[in-house]
Amino acid sequence: AQSVTQLGSHVSVSEGALVLLRCNYSSSVPPYLFWYVQYPNQGLQLLLKYTTGATLVKGINGFEAEFKKSETSFHLTKPSAHMSDAAEYFCAVSTGWNAGNMLTFGGGTRLMVKP
Amino acid sequence: DGGITQSPKYLFRKEGQNVTLSCEQNLNHDAMYWYRQDPGQGLRLIYYSQIVNDFQKGDIAEGYSVSREKKESFPLTVTSAQKNPTAFYLCASTRRHQGNTEAFFGQGTRLTVV
Repeated sequence: AQSVTQLGSHVSVSEGALVLLRCNYSSSVPPYLFWYVQYPNQGLQLLLKYTTGATLVKGINGFEAEFKKSETSFHLTKPSAHMSDAAEYFCAVSTGWNAGNMLTFGGGTRLMVKP
Repeated sequence: DGGITQSPKYLFRKEGQNVTLSCEQNLNHDAMYWYRQDPGQGLRLIYYSQIVNDFQKGDIAEGYSVSREKKESFPLTVTSAQKNPTAFYLCASTRRHQGNTEAFFGQGTRLTVV
């Protein structure tokens, strides 16, 4: 079984400040990890993903995430928040080719950016 | 441009009615999925299909039905048995039903019971 926990359903930062959105996963096998962003009344867009190889993954819009196996974490960061980053962010885990192994999503974190 | 198209964007259902949400993709993806999104609960899997004419129940399939007669299409019917259908519904597809492939999402359908 696999699961994802996103700490903090709401995060508020000032424009220009560091963005840190936390994601911890549980998986019995090496996971594949994803971060998606959702703007109001829209679908989800992939920000970045970790499959194998380098544990620091860079994505779109200046976001990056680091896979830390020892901490079972995949936190999303951005050095400097922009007003356009305000959205909901979802962390997701998958564990490979096998019937029933689906993308499992965390509950989401709504990021608010203050001017 | 390739992508996933969901229609309609907004849908209103009367009590006791069945309604069908459309999902079409031109990405040539084998696998398609339906998720339900409620505030604070993330996305929950309703049904998925790995190939044409085959589909599997997800975590919350009760009150829903699907079909996969064509590779491009995966419509979802919300039946009158679904007691709380008001939600945002998202359709997704992946190149294959494989863990390291990213999912592409449609723009969603917001269903409201009136």
